[in-house]
Amino acid sequence: NAGVTQTPKFRILKIGQSMTLQCTQDMNHNYMYWYRQDPGMGLKLIYYSVGAGITDKGEVPNGYNVSRSTTEDFPLRLELAAPSQTSVYFCASSYRTEGNTIYFGEGSWLTVV
Amino acid sequence: KQEVTQIPAALSVPEGENLVLNCSFTDSAIYNLQWFRQDPGKGLTSLLLIQSSQREQTSGRLNASLDKSSGRSTLYIAASQPGDSATYLCAVSYTGTASKLTFGTGTRLQVTL
Repeated sequence: NAGVTQTPKFRILKIGQSMTLQCTQDMNHNYMYWYRQDPGMGLKLIYYSVGAGITDKGEVPNGYNVSRSTTEDFPLRLELAAPSQTSVYFCASSYRTEGNTIYFGEGSWLTVV
Repeated sequence: KQEVTQIPAALSVPEGENLVLNCSFTDSAIYNLQWFRQDPGKGLTSLLLIQSSQREQTSGRLNASLDKSSGRSTLYIAASQPGDSATYLCAVSYTGTASKLTFGTGTRLQVTL
């Protein structure tokens, strides 16, 4: 019963490096999301996707890119990492928006030094 | 800009007490409101989802109410247990902003023996 799986769990990056956070779901959900959570703050939406091949920006998309080539996978790419991107990243999915339960992964802790 | 506020930021109660967590939102044109639980180092788990046409939802010892006109929701936890210790977040979605949840900053609850 995997649900939403994120990798890696922890990562330390140097300023200027790039990396990809992986996210996969096995519930055949068409909606997927990436959020970031800074200490003591709520979650903020980075990007979301309503289906394979369709992505859109959320509230804080700068410095990130996404792709959605399959229903299951929604990777988040960080280009030229900056200390401001130090955060916990959560991937989530739902069958459809505005009414269905949203399921979250366990998070990826990223530190940029 | 929609804002979601949760007060208090932290709460400590003895085991067995009934308690209420508060969530307020600035724009009453919500589509639904969800309450989530977040354990340390973990992702979010959806507890209750209230559609805008509903007044309350119940699950076990949890009861969530929604008053759109006043921009408020409450999460009532009956007979609290140490296992209820976690951070509770509320989030709203708005009609016309599909897939975009706006989160509060959460209430950190500790239930003591």
